[in-house]
Amino acid sequence: QVTLRESGPALVKPTQTLTLTCSFSGFSLSTNQMCVTWIRQPPGKPLECLARIDWNDDKYYSTSLKTRLTISKDTSRNQVVLTMTNMDPMDTATYYCARISGPNSGWGPDYWGPGTRVTVSS
Amino acid sequence: DIVLTQTPLSLSVTPGQSASFSCKSSQSLLQSDGKTFLYWYLQKPGQSPQLLLFAVSSRFSGVPDRFSGSGSGTNFTLKISRVEAEDLGIYYCMQGIHLPYTFGQGTKLEIK
Repeated sequence: QVTLRESGPALVKPTQTLTLTCSFSGFSLSTNQMCVTWIRQPPGKPLECLARIDWNDDKYYSTSLKTRLTISKDTSRNQVVLTMTNMDPMDTATYYCARISGPNSGWGPDYWGPGTRVTVSS
Repeated sequence: DIVLTQTPLSLSVTPGQSASFSCKSSQSLLQSDGKTFLYWYLQKPGQSPQLLLFAVSSRFSGVPDRFSGSGSGTNFTLKISRVEAEDLGIYYCMQGIHLPYTFGQGTKLEIK
């Protein structure tokens, strides 16, 4: 059974760095063609992909946010970490992590975590 | 980045009737190997998005055959043949040919 769960602070101050952890089970990021992606959703707004990390450590970032984002994986602990620097109130959103299982889902995110809500406010 | 435009923004349908959702891409989603990286997701109220279709028309595990997808290149359609009350939510299309993934703005389905 594939599960993912996001964790991190619910509240951060402007200019601080946000660190989010995606803990997962039911698959391994050392398996060929497995990937994990981070996607966020501001209140009442559409979804926005932030970053993706692949089994071979390839990384992809949002064009507009790439200078602020870092994604990494700890295969032994089944975790993926996303850091976002210089947080702004516009970054207030629910942050999701999701799995990609290669061609099984056409390289699209198939299983998602429940999301973690992050508010940026002083 | 590739821009996806969804229409309509909202839809109200009586149970048992059909519903159709459109998604237009600013660039072709067809890769040189013949694969098309267009997906459809449903986000039910208060829930995470769930994958319905990938590669335009392939249903993900457990998705009823009431859901079907069609289209090519830059124009795509999701159809629900017999809407049920549990289908309410926001439907998003997503592209994956150029990373990062980008999503449309969504179509909200309401049940009459």
